[in-house]
Amino acid sequence: EAGVVQSPRYKIIEKKQPVAFWCNPISGHNTLYWYLQNLGQGPELLIRYENEEAVDDSQLPKDRFSAERLKGVDSTLKIQPAELGDSAVYLCASSLSLYNEQFFGPGTRLTVL
Amino acid sequence: AQTVTQSQPEMSVQEAETVTLSCTYDTSESDYYLFWYKQPPSRQMILVIRQEAYKQQNATENRFSVNFQKAAKSFSLKISDSQLGDAAMYFCAYRSVRGSEKLVFGKGTKLTVNP
Repeated sequence: EAGVVQSPRYKIIEKKQPVAFWCNPISGHNTLYWYLQNLGQGPELLIRYENEEAVDDSQLPKDRFSAERLKGVDSTLKIQPAELGDSAVYLCASSLSLYNEQFFGPGTRLTVL
Repeated sequence: AQTVTQSQPEMSVQEAETVTLSCTYDTSESDYYLFWYKQPPSRQMILVIRQEAYKQQNATENRFSVNFQKAAKSFSLKISDSQLGDAAMYFCAYRSVRGSEKLVFGKGTKLTVNP
C-alpha cells in the first residue's frame, strides 16, 4: 500500500513569491492534515479536512495561507506571498477517520531567501 | 490548553543498551491518548507506540515500552536493545478524545545510537 505522497520534497524561493505544496493521502483516508514543523520543534496543526470540508483551520494564517482539498482526495497548501519566517517543513498526514492513526508523508522543506 | 514537555533535547545510547526518553504533559482532562513518534532524517513521522489514558497497563511494542504515570502526568519511552536504526528524533504527543482532537507535540528528543 502506498503511503502519503508529498511534492516537492524541497523548495527554495525568494521572499514575496508564491509557493504551493501538494499532498496525496492514502487511498480511502477521509481525514487529511497539514502540519507546520519549524526547526527544532514538533509539528503544529495548520488545517484538518474531513473529506473536502475544512473542519479545523484555526491555526492557518489566512492572510497568506490557503488550502483546498478538491473531491476529498488530493490537497494543496499555498502561501502567497512567502515570508522569510515561512521557512520550515510542511507535513501532510492522513487517517481513515479522526479517531484512527495518522500516517505522515515525508514533508516539503521550504526555504525562503 | 494542553502542553507536552520533553526535557531532554538530546540523548545517546550504546548499541544493544537501554535508553529512556522522558515526557510530561499538562491537561485537565481525564480521558486522552498519548503517543511516541519517531522522525528519522527522511522526515517521515512514524508511530512507535500509543497509550490510552483509561488503560492502566503500560503499552509495549517489541523493544519499545512506556511507563505511563497518569497522576504524575508522565509518559516515558524505554527502548531496549538499541539498534543503529533507532537513531532519530522522538516526539511525544497528546490527543484529546473530545474537542478538536488534534495532536499536540513536544519539541522532541534527538537520539544518537553509538556503535
